[in-house]
Amino acid sequence: ETGVTQTPRHLVMGMTNKKSLKCEQHLGHNAMYWYKQSAKKPLELMFVYNFKEQTENNSVPSRFSPECPNSSHLFLHLHTLQPEDSALYLCASSHTPSGDPRDTQYFGPGTRLTVL
Amino acid sequence: ELKVEQNPLFLSMQEGKNYTIYCNYSTTSDRLYWYRQDPGKSLESLFVLLSNGAVKQEGRLMASLDTKARLSTLHITAAVHDLSATYFCAVATLWDRDDKIIFGKGTRLHILP
Repeated sequence: ETGVTQTPRHLVMGMTNKKSLKCEQHLGHNAMYWYKQSAKKPLELMFVYNFKEQTENNSVPSRFSPECPNSSHLFLHLHTLQPEDSALYLCASSHTPSGDPRDTQYFGPGTRLTVL
Repeated sequence: ELKVEQNPLFLSMQEGKNYTIYCNYSTTSDRLYWYRQDPGKSLESLFVLLSNGAVKQEGRLMASLDTKARLSTLHITAAVHDLSATYFCAVATLWDRDDKIIFGKGTRLHILP
């Protein structure tokens, strides 16, 4: 596997379900990100992890819970979601040796989430 | 608050023509990105522009940055069908000041054969 991988690629869940999205990067990067891409809206940054520490949480509802056990893996735990949470969830990683979080990000293929 | 506006949001053009996509942003920044996204696929980094007057070219695409005007352009020369995709610009706020990367809404480019 190379680059940034995400599983599953597609997920359909009910509003009462609990599921997790997984992201893995094989690039040796130290920063990882979750984004939400909805139809007709700009890409929205949800969470940032730098060296496994969460450095940003853009007012994301608590029904989304990130976990970063190491610099290569990132999870997004989902529970009691709403239909409006249906979107493409993209993971990205970047190499930020100086801690600058604005270095070029490499994106995974995304998980297409549908909440019924 | 940093805002990023792209225009047009949708562009349909014929092969062989030239066109420009514009990206305006509202506050000072020293870094701008262009990404490409094919339908159903992820974002692919095209260019990173780091300074005023920066110009980068890859094939039929050329990106430039004017930090004084807070404007970046993505110019397409002699378009071919393979360039059909959605193009996003993204702007980074200055480091140490509420570090963020804000994306524009994207320009969906459809090139007719």
